[in-house]
Parts: sequence; C-alpha cells; structure tokens
Amino acid sequence: KQEVTQIPAALSVPEGENLVLNCSFTDSAIYNLQWFRQDPGKGLTSLLLIQSSQREQTSGRLNASLDKSSGRSTLYIAASQPGDSATYLCAVGNSGNTPLVFGKGTRLSVIA
Amino acid sequence: GAGVSQSPSNKVTEKGKDVELRCDPISGHTALYWYRQRLGQGLEFLIYFQGNSAPDKSGLPSDRFSAERTGESVSTLTIQRTQQEDSAVYLCASSLTGTTSSEQYFGPGTRLTVT
Repeated sequence: KQEVTQIPAALSVPEGENLVLNCSFTDSAIYNLQWFRQDPGKGLTSLLLIQSSQREQTSGRLNASLDKSSGRSTLYIAASQPGDSATYLCAVGNSGNTPLVFGKGTRLSVIA
Repeated sequence: GAGVSQSPSNKVTEKGKDVELRCDPISGHTALYWYRQRLGQGLEFLIYFQGNSAPDKSGLPSDRFSAERTGESVSTLTIQRTQQEDSAVYLCASSLTGTTSSEQYFGPGTRLTVT
C-alpha cells in the first residue's frame, strides 16, 4: 500500500529565504507526482505535475524534483514571500487508473 | 473556463440526518473523484468515476456513503444517517482522461459539520 510522508509538518521562514519541502513515498512504481497548495478553508490548487519519466518541473519561483528510485520529491521555493504562506500537499498517482495518495502536508509560514 | 464547483460550501446537520453534496466537474473531464479531509488528516480517497465504467468505490468508509454520477457531468455524494465522525471537508476533483497522467483539478470543497 502506497504511503506518502511530508517533512517537516510545519515550517516558518523569514521573507526572502529559499526553502525546500520534502515528500517521500514507499512504493517507487508511481505514474506521476503532483504538488498542491491549500489555503485555509479553500480547495487545492495544482502547482506542478511531474510524470514518472521526468526529473523535474519548474513554474516561476517553484521547482519540483523527482527521484523515483529513492522514493523522494522536493519542492523548492525561491525568494519566499508572505503570499506563499499555505499548506503544501504532495500526492502520487500509482500505475493505472487509481486516485491520488496524499501526504498530510507541510504548513508554511513566511514572515514579513 | 469554469473550474470544478461544489455545493453547498458549508453544511451543518444533526446526527442521524441524510445529506447530499454536489459536484460539477470541468466540462469535458471524463474522470471525477471524491476525497475527504478530516481535521488534521491528509486527504482520503472515497470514490472514483471514469466515463461509463463502474465506479471504484473502494475508499467508501461504510455503506452509509454512496455516490452517483450522471453521464460525464454532475455527481452527488450522499451520506445517510450522518455521524459526528463524518464531519470533514469533502473535496471533488476532475481530470481529462482518467489516467494518472492527467492532472487533477479540485473544487473548493464542502465543509460538513455533524452536531
């Protein structure tokens, strides 16, 4: 059974810092991995989708990497801003038509 | 275009009552998913619809939970005889083809509180 773990559970950084959020998964036979952002009381916003054949994806100040063999992904946020404060969720799609398996998220606070 | 919409945004109900939650997926998306997010927990998969195939109900926690989908459009999640442990945010997502290569797009969720 696939399990997804995110470390740390919470993180507080001063504005302007670069930071890394970690995601690990137990079954490396994934089809893709998706990073989401969730603001309090809101739904999920998709940030980046990495296919199993890819090593990384970039969007603006965000860069997500994938190392399937070691069961790890990282989300790098450059030059953090207070508006980046949210919970970041990692989710993996296993082979075949199966729903996403989510980690519990990392709650990020960027202090001005 | 319009994203995934869900209604109601909030629902408070008494223990033992039935509730219906609605999801309108993105037009043209063949796959639709229901997830549940309880306080302090990760998202749990409930049920998945793909086109006209039989739904994957493997995540439904009990027979009090059921869901229907009309063609490739709206879906309703029904919880009968609600219990306090059903209190959660219920999230709906849709994707274009239903394979896991497709990005899932989420609605804003329905916050259910059972008193």
